[in-house]
Amino acid sequence: KAGVTQTPRYLIKTRGQQVTLSCSPISGHRSVSWYQQTPGQGLQFLFEYFSETQRNKGNFPGRFSGRQFSNSRSEMNVSTLELGDSALYLCASSLEGASNEKLFFGSGTQLSVL
Amino acid sequence: AQSVAQPEDQVNVAEGNPLTVKCTYSVSGNPYLFWYVQYPNRGLQFLLKYITGDNLVKGSYGFEAEFNKSQTSFHLKKPSALVSDSALYFCAVISSGGYQKVTFGIGTKLQVIP
Repeated sequence: KAGVTQTPRYLIKTRGQQVTLSCSPISGHRSVSWYQQTPGQGLQFLFEYFSETQRNKGNFPGRFSGRQFSNSRSEMNVSTLELGDSALYLCASSLEGASNEKLFFGSGTQLSVL
Repeated sequence: AQSVAQPEDQVNVAEGNPLTVKCTYSVSGNPYLFWYVQYPNRGLQFLLKYITGDNLVKGSYGFEAEFNKSQTSFHLKKPSALVSDSALYFCAVISSGGYQKVTFGIGTKLQVIP
């Protein structure tokens, strides 16, 4: 089985631009969640999608949004980029998103905002 | 609200010695606890989880963790450290019964010295 795939691997943007990140979960997994990883803050939960619906949301501004398609693939969008948005963005999938399930992570998208 | 504390930014241990990476948590209700490991330029990999039952949980690569309800701790341990164990370790908690809105600690860097 293929693992969780995130594209692109690296992105360089300038302040004010917008960016879209993509995540393909493991086949059969219907829950996709997104995390922002920075050295001082660890992993911060952004949101979780299940069956094309956002089921949970973290404490991020509205500039961060996402969606999930019928094939469970997910995209995350960040508009009006700020320098502080520079981070590794990780996507994770699980079968149903139940609290006792382990997460399978992609390798992440490293976003640099200049 | 739920939270995780990993009090040590870095743990250094000599190869062959036992290692401990500390984690304490706070959650309303029963906790589900996880440990993940991250190697450089990679996503996180699942090591082990505590859901219910035996307080001592065994996981991948010879790691184990002990759930201590009275101390709200879930420390990661290994009897004999390998150089290849050097990585970033994350503890995570989620309240049972909910959906995937996992709270991660900020991570502990483990350095195993040859």
